[in-house]
Amino acid sequence: GENVEQHPSTLSVQEGDSAVIKCTYSDSASNYFPWYKQELGKGPQLIIDIRSNVGEKKDQRIAVTLNKTAKHFSLHITETQPEDSAVYFCAASQTSGTYKYIFGTGTRLKVLA
Amino acid sequence: EAGVVQSPRYKIIEKKQPVAFWCNPISGHNTLYWYRQNLGQGPELLIRYENEEAVDDSQLPKDRFSAERLKGVDSTLKIQPAELGDSAVYLCASRSGGGELFFGEGSRLTVL
Repeated sequence: GENVEQHPSTLSVQEGDSAVIKCTYSDSASNYFPWYKQELGKGPQLIIDIRSNVGEKKDQRIAVTLNKTAKHFSLHITETQPEDSAVYFCAASQTSGTYKYIFGTGTRLKVLA
Repeated sequence: EAGVVQSPRYKIIEKKQPVAFWCNPISGHNTLYWYRQNLGQGPELLIRYENEEAVDDSQLPKDRFSAERLKGVDSTLKIQPAELGDSAVYLCASRSGGGELFFGEGSRLTVL
């Protein structure tokens, strides 16, 4: 069945360093790839997304890259800050009718001050 | 604009007891999702509604779980009877025409 693998499961970085989280999806029909941030006790919140017609998207300190051939997409956070500490989830979905999101297993990011 | 509202936030019950969770999506959002999130895992889809129609309930354990969205607005997810393995966070999300899912804060269920 459809599957999204996410690595690493935990990531610790020093404040100011960069963090990279990688995901691989299995469904070739997926064309929408959002990233969600979940803080303790809260629901996931969208931070950035990318559609299959572009290879990269950037929003201030966060960027996402997509390699459709390899079915890989990655989240890049630069100049990390303590408030970036949270669990991050990637997801893959189709936009033609179903919007059935398949989520990765999450990455717990700790930014050390 | 109000976000997705869920209640209760926390529920502790004995096994074999029933429990219900309620969700009010963002106004105008026709699509509503119920997800289950086990500890340390990503959300897993239980059921998706388009207006009042359940269009994907393939992952809903129908022997004990049920859901409804009678008027195409708010929704209720019920578990009867609850089992120990049902302990999880139950997330509701809604979407309009675009791709972004808006999640509620979740209902954390503990079954003793």
